[in-house]
Amino acid sequence: DAEITQSPRHKITETGRQVTLACHQTWNHNNMFWYRQDLGHGLRLIHYSYGVHDTNKGEVSDGYSVSRSNTEDLPLTLESAASSQTSVYFCASSRRQEGTEAFFGQGTRLTVV
Amino acid sequence: GQQVMQIPQYQHVQEGEDFTTYCNSSTTLSNIQWYKQRPGGHPVFLIQLVKSGEVKKQKRLTFQFGEAKKNSSLHITATQTTDVGTYFCAPRDNYGQNFVFGPGTRLSVLP
Repeated sequence: DAEITQSPRHKITETGRQVTLACHQTWNHNNMFWYRQDLGHGLRLIHYSYGVHDTNKGEVSDGYSVSRSNTEDLPLTLESAASSQTSVYFCASSRRQEGTEAFFGQGTRLTVV
Repeated sequence: GQQVMQIPQYQHVQEGEDFTTYCNSSTTLSNIQWYKQRPGGHPVFLIQLVKSGEVKKQKRLTFQFGEAKKNSSLHITATQTTDVGTYFCAPRDNYGQNFVFGPGTRLSVLP
C-alpha cells in the first residue's frame, strides 16, 4: 500500500546543531508540505513544494529549509536548532489537482536541549 | 492574507451530548476540508465541501458550508468517546493549493 513515512519518530538534539527530518511518500504526489504543531497554535505551515525543484516558504519558515530533488522526498532541515523549534513536525502530501485531500505522516517529535 | 478562526478552542461534553465547531474565514473560499486528529495521532481527512450552502453527512457528523462560502460548521450528534480529538478546518481560497489549517477545536467527551 502507498504511504507516507517520517523518520525519525523521536529526536533529541542540542542547540546549534543541524538536524534533518525525513519525509518519504510512495503515492507519487506532486504536493508535499511540512507543518509544526504546538499547543495552542494548531498546524502551522513551514515549507511546501508543488513538484521537483519547487519549494516555497510557509508562515513559519525562518530557521528551516527544504529541498525537492525527487517526487518522493521532502527533507526538512533545521540549520541551527533552537529551543523554540522543539515541536511535533508533520509531513503531508497531496495530488496536484485542486481540492484533493492531504495525507499526513505519523509525525516526528523533536526536542532541542 | 487569509485569516481563519475556529470556535470554540476547547469543548468538554458529556457522552451523548451534541457538539458543534465553527470555522470562519476572512475571505471567500473555493472549498473547505475538515480533518480529525486523535490524541497522539496525525490529522486524517474527513470531508470536503465545495458548493455554497452544501450539507454533507457522515453517520453522526454533519458538515455545512455557508451560503457566502466564508464559514463552515461540523456538528456531531450524540457524541461518543471515540469522537475525542481535535477537529481542524482547512479552508482553501482561490489563490493556490496551500493547505492552511485553522487553529482547531479540541473535543473531550466524558463517559
